[in-house]
Amino acid sequence: AQSVTQLGSHVSVSEGALVLLRCNYSSSVPPYLFWYVQYPNQGLQLLLKYTTGATLVKGINGFEAEFKKSETSFHLTKPSAHMSDAAEYFCAVSYSSNDYKLSFGAGTTVTVRA
Amino acid sequence: DAMVIQNPRYQVTQFGKPVTLSCSQTLNHNVMYWYQQKSSQAPKLLFHYYDKDFNNEADTPDNFQSRRPNTSFCFLDIRSPGLGDAAMYLCATSREPGQGEQKLFFGSGTQLSVL
Repeated sequence: AQSVTQLGSHVSVSEGALVLLRCNYSSSVPPYLFWYVQYPNQGLQLLLKYTTGATLVKGINGFEAEFKKSETSFHLTKPSAHMSDAAEYFCAVSYSSNDYKLSFGAGTTVTVRA
Repeated sequence: DAMVIQNPRYQVTQFGKPVTLSCSQTLNHNVMYWYQQKSSQAPKLLFHYYDKDFNNEADTPDNFQSRRPNTSFCFLDIRSPGLGDAAMYLCATSREPGQGEQKLFFGSGTQLSVL
């Protein structure tokens, strides 16, 4: 079975600083990987995803993530944090392109200090 | 705008009293999902519908049932809520795999409290 581990349940960064959220997966087959963001009182919104092709994926709001098969990782980064980035972030995997069911990590809450 | 709508935003029920959560979508997606998200935990898939075909996850308790009377609506029924069922319940939709971008569209969720 696949699982997703997000290192750090809470990350605090200064406005303008680098945001780095870590995600590792365990899978016996190449996974499909996703990052979702959940703003307060809202549903989850897709930030970016990796299915095939280029391993560096760019998403919305200046976020990007890199799939590293050798490290079984899909870390999310943003060079310069903005106050509006305060939210909860979820890494997720799916088994294949024929299965849209997602297994989520436990989430990382990001707070941004002025 | 096309969207996934969950009502109510907050639901309070009593221990053992049946409760129904609703979800509607204007995206005309074939697939609808219900996820349970307990505090500080990952969303956990309860079940999903492929059109009218119901697919239960192996570890979803029998206490949880679902109905999908048409493409637009899906309901989550909790027959006898326990204190452990207090959580955020998220509805999501997607196109049928192979019919478009592999992406889930989520509603804002219903926060269920059990007293």
